[in-house]
Amino acid sequence: NAGVTQTPKFRVLKTGQSMTLLCAQDMNHEYMYWYRQDPGMGLRLIHYSVGEGTTAKGEVPDGYNVSRLKKQNFLLGLESAAPSQTSVYFCASSYPSERGSGRETQYFGPGTRLLVL
Amino acid sequence: GNSVTQMEGPVTLSEEAFLTINCTYTATGYPSLFWYVQYPGEGLQLLLKATKADDKGSNKGFEATYRKETTSFHLEKGSVQVSDSAVYFCALSGSGGSNYKLTFGKGTLLTVNP
Repeated sequence: NAGVTQTPKFRVLKTGQSMTLLCAQDMNHEYMYWYRQDPGMGLRLIHYSVGEGTTAKGEVPDGYNVSRLKKQNFLLGLESAAPSQTSVYFCASSYPSERGSGRETQYFGPGTRLLVL
Repeated sequence: GNSVTQMEGPVTLSEEAFLTINCTYTATGYPSLFWYVQYPGEGLQLLLKATKADDKGSNKGFEATYRKETTSFHLEKGSVQVSDSAVYFCALSGSGGSNYKLTFGKGTLLTVNP
């Protein structure tokens, strides 16, 4: 099993450009998440999904959109990139082993480093 | 809302030294608590977790005990190795209907010198 994979690994954008980050998981997980990691800020949740066709906003959703058309894929879009979106983006997934328990382990991808000039 | 506070880094130790990384939390309800580790250039991976008060999570020589009375989940290891150099994140699960979401601390960079 590949686990959680992310594409691309690194990208440089100019302000105003758009791009899509792809996350794929092969563990049949119901839940998927997008985080950004910034120095001194830890990880902050951007958007998440609790199942195919559903998405919801996290802590810092502005400037991002997501789609979950297939259970195994979770896409993060930047419609008009800004320098403030320079960050490392992590995707994660989890399976609700005990629905409602909060005990699920999240499995993370290797990250995408994005630089917006 | 939920929050996690962990000790500021960086922490630099010599091999075989004792490690403590403090973590305290604020939460409603009865969250689960986690420690994740991020090795250089990689994503996060679960190190250990505890799902109820007084539970002890352990893995790879690391331990942490869920202390509800002090709202703490401190990470300890008796003898660190160079290979333990990484960033460590304390996290807690959400509450109520969204308890699958995690709130992370800011992370603590650990460097272990030979």
